[in-house]
Amino acid sequence: ETGVTQTPRHLVMGMTNKKSLKCEQHLGHNAMYWYKQSAKKPLELMFVYNFKEQTENNSVPSRFSPECPNSSHLFLHLHTLQPEDSALYLCASSQGQGPGNTIYFGEGSWLTVV
Amino acid sequence: GQNIDQPTEMTATEGAIVQINCTYQTSGFNGLFWYQQHAGEAPTFLSYNVLDGLEEKGRFSSFLSRSKGYSYLLLKELQMKDSASYLCAVLNTGFQKLVFGTGTRLLVSP
Repeated sequence: ETGVTQTPRHLVMGMTNKKSLKCEQHLGHNAMYWYKQSAKKPLELMFVYNFKEQTENNSVPSRFSPECPNSSHLFLHLHTLQPEDSALYLCASSQGQGPGNTIYFGEGSWLTVV
Repeated sequence: GQNIDQPTEMTATEGAIVQINCTYQTSGFNGLFWYQQHAGEAPTFLSYNVLDGLEEKGRFSSFLSRSKGYSYLLLKELQMKDSASYLCAVLNTGFQKLVFGTGTRLLVSP
């Protein structure tokens, strides 16, 4: 139990579907993140939110749309994805941003696009 | 540019000691993290180094040399449960941008 909960754990979707990934953190943190983990590639930062405001968009295609209604919840809305978007999507949180703030990860949502 | 290198895979025997190296070239440096990730699970925090030297935490130790752009994770008295991927990540200057290596998959055999 890491304090960061992601649902669903597994998702299969067609290229024309619309789905959402949900993340909730129970750590009282102020910053939340979405990372993408593909086979044989490094973890890639996608989005960063700090106090509900987006502070980083790492050139992510618009078919991925994040939403952060409050400091405890983070969503990733998915629309017209491509097969190459199949990956493990990890949510994470930290107390703040900057040196010394450890990032804690959720267990991830495995996404398969067919 | 940004580059973090670590070996793809390592094998070791139960009870032994293994050292996983990480070299980095990043734009700015605010510390280096090591994470452990078992297959299908979340990466879990192991250590954070921001100053040169060795940080010891039980069976795990992490070393940093900023001038050499080099770190290692040392695992002692290996156990079967230590079989996992070990991720090296560097925190850039600016907003909490963690840059990850591809990870080192460690296999511990009896």
